[in-house]
Amino acid sequence: EDQVTQSPEALRLQEGESSSLNCSYTVSGLRGLFWYRQDPGKGPEFLFTLYSAGEEKEKERLKATLTKKESFLHITAPKPEDSATYLCAVQASNDYKLSFGAGTTVTVRA
Amino acid sequence: DTGVSQDPRHKITKRGQNVTFRCDPISEHNRLYWYRQTLGQGPEFLTYFQNEAQLEKSRLLSDRFSAERPKGSFSTLEIQRTEQGDSAMYLCASSSPGRPHEQYFGPGTRLTVT
Repeated sequence: EDQVTQSPEALRLQEGESSSLNCSYTVSGLRGLFWYRQDPGKGPEFLFTLYSAGEEKEKERLKATLTKKESFLHITAPKPEDSATYLCAVQASNDYKLSFGAGTTVTVRA
Repeated sequence: DTGVSQDPRHKITKRGQNVTFRCDPISEHNRLYWYRQTLGQGPEFLTYFQNEAQLEKSRLLSDRFSAERPKGSFSTLEIQRTEQGDSAMYLCASSSPGRPHEQYFGPGTRLTVT
């Protein structure tokens, strides 16, 4: 069974204080690893898809990287509007469903 | 550009009642997924459709749950004889034929069973 573990559970940052979120996974053949952002009471918002080890994707202050066992989401010089829960999910090569981790809740203080 | 829409956004019901949720996917998206999310957890897969065919169902989807997508467009999720443990956010997502692995989520339906 596919498993996704995210750490830390919560992260409190000062505005401008860069940090990283971790996503460890086990999957029987990786089709893709996905990062989503979720604001309270809303559905997840798609951020990135990573397909193979060594791949990197960037969007504004966010950068996602992938190895064979984990992915990192780096937040550079965060702003209060980056406060959200960040979800990691994997998709196996023989399937289309997503298996999610529990998420990391990021709070950025001004 | 309209995203995935879900109706209702909130539903409060009494234990034992039946409820039905609707999901309208992004236009021309042929795959549609249902997930359930409880507080502090990530979404859990329930079922998915390719066009009108239901191709996979999770073991989480008990006999009280049924999903349909009769014309390959919108979908409904029905829960019969609701229980307090059914209280959760029910999320719908869709993906396109060209990029079937990228799922775009709707705002969800928050169900509270009293």
